[in-house]
Amino acid sequence: QSVLTQPPSVSGAPGQRVTISCTGSTSNIGAGYDVHWYQQLPGTAPKLLIYAGNNRPSGVPDRFSASKSGTSAYLAITGLQAEDEADYYCQSYDYSLSGSRVFGTGTKVTVL
Amino acid sequence: QLQLQESGPGLVKPSETLSLTCSVSGGSISSSSYCWGWIRQPPGKGLEWIGSICYTGSTYYNPSLKSRVTISVATSENQFSLRLTSVTAADTSVYYCAREGYAEYFQHWGQGTLVSVSS
Repeated sequence: QSVLTQPPSVSGAPGQRVTISCTGSTSNIGAGYDVHWYQQLPGTAPKLLIYAGNNRPSGVPDRFSASKSGTSAYLAITGLQAEDEADYYCQSYDYSLSGSRVFGTGTKVTVL
Repeated sequence: QLQLQESGPGLVKPSETLSLTCSVSGGSISSSSYCWGWIRQPPGKGLEWIGSICYTGSTYYNPSLKSRVTISVATSENQFSLRLTSVTAADTSVYYCAREGYAEYFQHWGQGTLVSVSS
């Protein structure tokens, strides 16, 4: 059972902005630990999208951005494109679980 | 360019031990201050962190799997391994190996390998 909760799905038309939430608790996101985001295209391994706050690895477009507030984190995709249709996962660290890295439940983004 | 590749049996019988190896190329597993981890994904489901081993030799395991998991490093072979004992059908998953970045994020991933548990 994941300790980070995401909406199962979000959708938007090309060019629109969509936001994915990642809700945790005071032992992970609320404790100040970094939140990271991954994109998983169908049939492929997850790919690091944003790390340690709002840092993008080389090659990730700036249409992807992240933020955090309290016990929740958010991934925003602006100027939605067909190629953004994928599963997205948040990930953080939870001190109550003995050094555990924890993943979110995942969100399917559909481009209408 | 760092590359990781999982290898091991694709089919394991119930109650037996699942063993996988992650071969690292393009960098030394013993250099720098990194942790190396295993993550799995049941078919059609989300990601689950299994555990990580760090350059210090320290290991960290998912509490839900801790009693069955061992992660170790073979420095001379530039590999690290996963052992999961007493498997059941619920352990059927795609297993990924990955290298962590400085803040416990998974920076580099292998392509994944499907392990099915069935008699």
